[in-house]
Amino acid sequence: SAVISQKPSRDICQRGTSLTIQCQVDSQVTMMFWYRQQPGQSLTLIATANQGSEATYESGFVIDKFPISRPNLTFSTLTVSNMSPEDSSIYLCSVPLNQGEGGGYGYTFGSGTRLTVV
Amino acid sequence: GQNIDQPTEMTATEGAIVQINCTYQTSGFNGLFWYQQHAGEAPTFLSYNVLDGLEEKGRFSSFLSRSKGYSYLLLKELQMKDSASYLCAVINTDKLIFGTGTRLQVFP
Repeated sequence: SAVISQKPSRDICQRGTSLTIQCQVDSQVTMMFWYRQQPGQSLTLIATANQGSEATYESGFVIDKFPISRPNLTFSTLTVSNMSPEDSSIYLCSVPLNQGEGGGYGYTFGSGTRLTVV
Repeated sequence: GQNIDQPTEMTATEGAIVQINCTYQTSGFNGLFWYQQHAGEAPTFLSYNVLDGLEEKGRFSSFLSRSKGYSYLLLKELQMKDSASYLCAVINTDKLIFGTGTRLQVFP
């Protein structure tokens, strides 16, 4: 199965600044996803990162706040722009994988970026 | 809209059996996953159901009824290390949409 390297693992940032999170996959994947997990909550899908085209954002998320790059099939970045304390969350990237038997496939996740905005 | 609901918290005793329910109403359905997430870690895959019925994998089993929009995760012979959050997630046109999550605490 694919391995995702996500960095940074954590950061403490000043409000009003921006942070770019990177995910590198060790194999080519068509789709990559970015999630946010607020403290004590489940995962919320931010957007789908498409190679060669603009990201597709979910309701409540906009490109100006969360610009995404996908320059090739193994790499993507998510930027959290003009941060406020409400952006303090864990951000995770994910890719779908074929897990073989029975046609079922899984999604694997990066280790997450724990962001604290002060 | 998309609604995937789970109980917020559950408690159980070591050695017991616990069932975590998940109900969903989504615009599309291509399968359902259960993930386990320990505090401070990324979610890890537990099970996948796309057809109705029970999938058994060791101490963990997962059930799906597509007509009822319902799934459950059954954990047997609970161990202390099973204390974690359990996340139900539906695949909707290649996107994985997560439920509200259930925090399970196992007591000795």
